Amino acid sequence: SAVISQKPSRDICQRGTSLTIQCQVDSQVTMMFWYRQQPGQSLTLIATANQGSEATYESGFVIDKFPISRPNLTFSTLTVSNMSPEDSSIYLCSVTGQGTDTQYFGPGTRLTVL
Amino acid sequence: GESVGLHLPTLSVQEGDNSIINCAYSNSASDYFIWYKQESGKGPQFIIDIRSNMDKRQGQRVTVLLNKTVKHLSLQIAATQPGDSAVYFCAETLNNAGNMLTFGGGTRLMVKP
Repeated sequence: SAVISQKPSRDICQRGTSLTIQCQVDSQVTMMFWYRQQPGQSLTLIATANQGSEATYESGFVIDKFPISRPNLTFSTLTVSNMSPEDSSIYLCSVTGQGTDTQYFGPGTRLTVL
Repeated sequence: GESVGLHLPTLSVQEGDNSIINCAYSNSASDYFIWYKQESGKGPQFIIDIRSNMDKRQGQRVTVLLNKTVKHLSLQIAATQPGDSAVYFCAETLNNAGNMLTFGGGTRLMVKP
């Protein structure tokens, strides 16, 4: 499976600010996804990061709040904009390789908004 | 999206015993299922998967069972060890859904020494 890293691993931010989370994969992957995991909860898909085009967002998530980039097959960013304490969560990226449906996850970014 | 749920939020087992974690899914069109293990402070780790054309798949100390008739999925862990303590999630993908996963609520497995 691919090795997936995320930066930062954790951060504490002030409300009203924005944070960009990076996801880097050590090999080219077909698909990249961003999930949110609120404290003590399961994972919820935010969006599919599409290379060279706008991300595909799930119900309840919008581009203005969670802009996503994917400039190539190994890298993606998720920005959490105009943060509020409700945005405190773990944000995870996942990937699938060519010819497989299996998703592998990065270590996550633990975000706390004060 | 369709919901994927679990029967037991917390499961406590004695070290050496077998563990069974259950999951119910609601969409009969789902064709691929994955079990993940998430340890504290880490991302979900792939354990085992199964496709809808199978009813059983075995890995190292783990077995996944799929009952499509009642839309039920289970993860069996043999000879449970302290290192198995974690939260376990089942996830499903829907046909032609672009690999999008829907996750269940999670079960915390606690292994008593």
